[in-house]
Amino acid sequence: GEDVEQSLFLSVREGDSSVINCTYTDSSSTYLYWYKQEPGAGLQLLTYIFSNMDMKQDQRLTVLLNKKDKHLSLRIADTQTGDSAIYFCAEKTGANNLFFGTGTRLTVIP
Amino acid sequence: DAGITQSPRHKVTETGTPVTLRCHQTENHRYMYWYRQDPGHGLRLIHYSYGVKDTDKGEVSDGYSVSRSKTEDFLLTLESATSSQTSVYFCAAAGDPNQPQHFGDGTRLSIL
Repeated sequence: GEDVEQSLFLSVREGDSSVINCTYTDSSSTYLYWYKQEPGAGLQLLTYIFSNMDMKQDQRLTVLLNKKDKHLSLRIADTQTGDSAIYFCAEKTGANNLFFGTGTRLTVIP
Repeated sequence: DAGITQSPRHKVTETGTPVTLRCHQTENHRYMYWYRQDPGHGLRLIHYSYGVKDTDKGEVSDGYSVSRSKTEDFLLTLESATSSQTSVYFCAAAGDPNQPQHFGDGTRLSIL
């Protein structure tokens, strides 16, 4: 299957920016997603980007897509303690399947 | 999220017993999905449905079956549970394949 890679852990200080990175292998990806998972909860859709876009901004969130390098990133500006969670990137390739990375656990230090 | 309810939220059972997990959605979404989440693997697709009585296999379908008799309900069955099926199971739904999937809060299943 498709391979989606993320680093496992990231720690940042409150107020700093966080950058979570993701690489994928399938060049036929149509959409790429970022989901947030808080303890004991399901996955909450944060944002997504269509594969013909380079950047998408939504309030404190900025998504950058480098199709040549198959690299996706999520930048969270002014990170808050409430942003502590696991963040998953996912790529959609075929009609009905999402392939998820293993998730990055973001810890925000007060 | 998007009116998706999973039941039960937690279950402990023994190897060899049948288990059925239920997903209920109130948004009239046509597509529904079952995933399992395991450490080191992210989420992996078990089965999905693209309409009433229309289902297909995902990446890790062995040992699982599904049924969809109504638009709002998607059932996942483990006919004879094994310890390797201990996991957290998530249901998701979407209006069409190009829309983002919205997830339920998960079912934590332990097979002893």
